[in-house]
Amino acid sequence: QKEVEQNSGPLSVPEGAIASLNCTYSDRGSQSFFWYRQYSGKSPELIMSIYSNGDKEDGRFTAQLNKASQYVSLLIRDSQPSDSATYLCAVAGRVAGSYQLTFGKGTKLSVIP
Amino acid sequence: GAVVSQHPSRVICKSGTSVKIECRSLDFQATTMFWYRQFPKQSLMLMATSNEGSKATYEQGVEKDKFLINHASLTLSTLTVTSAHPEDSSFYICSVPTGTVNQPQHFGDGTRLSIL
Repeated sequence: QKEVEQNSGPLSVPEGAIASLNCTYSDRGSQSFFWYRQYSGKSPELIMSIYSNGDKEDGRFTAQLNKASQYVSLLIRDSQPSDSATYLCAVAGRVAGSYQLTFGKGTKLSVIP
Repeated sequence: GAVVSQHPSRVICKSGTSVKIECRSLDFQATTMFWYRQFPKQSLMLMATSNEGSKATYEQGVEKDKFLINHASLTLSTLTVTSAHPEDSSFYICSVPTGTVNQPQHFGDGTRLSIL
């Protein structure tokens, strides 16, 4: 059974600070990793994907992947109150032609103005 | 614009009622759709995979007679929660796989189901 583990938080950071979110996964053969943002009462929104070891930057977001340690992280620079949400880490596995996602429980981030 | 349309967005009904949730793929012909359930402060848990023209594939622990899935066309899948009880109250989300690894699934807006 694939597992994705996240610290549920809440993680509180002041506005303008760097928020660091972490995730570990159990399936060493996993190849594709995603970070979703979910506002309360809404469905998840994809914000980052990463497939290779190292860093991937997109605006204020940086995803980091270390397959040897089975570890994925998301850094949010210059955190804004609008970043306050639950961040879900997900790992994709190919099943019968589709990519199935296994989600972690999510880390709730609060950015304090 | 939305790629996946899910209706209704909110349902409040009495215990024992059956509730149907629709998921429409607007841009893709979807031979497969996914149904998730999310309890408060929990993750999205895959309930079942809906297969066009054939039976759905249910995850372990999900009662197929309780959660009826119909995928009669390439654009529509429905989830019916039969004889719903308060413990079925949850956030139900459907998704359509894209076939690409960059964005593997498009999600519907979700349905908040509250059983009194």
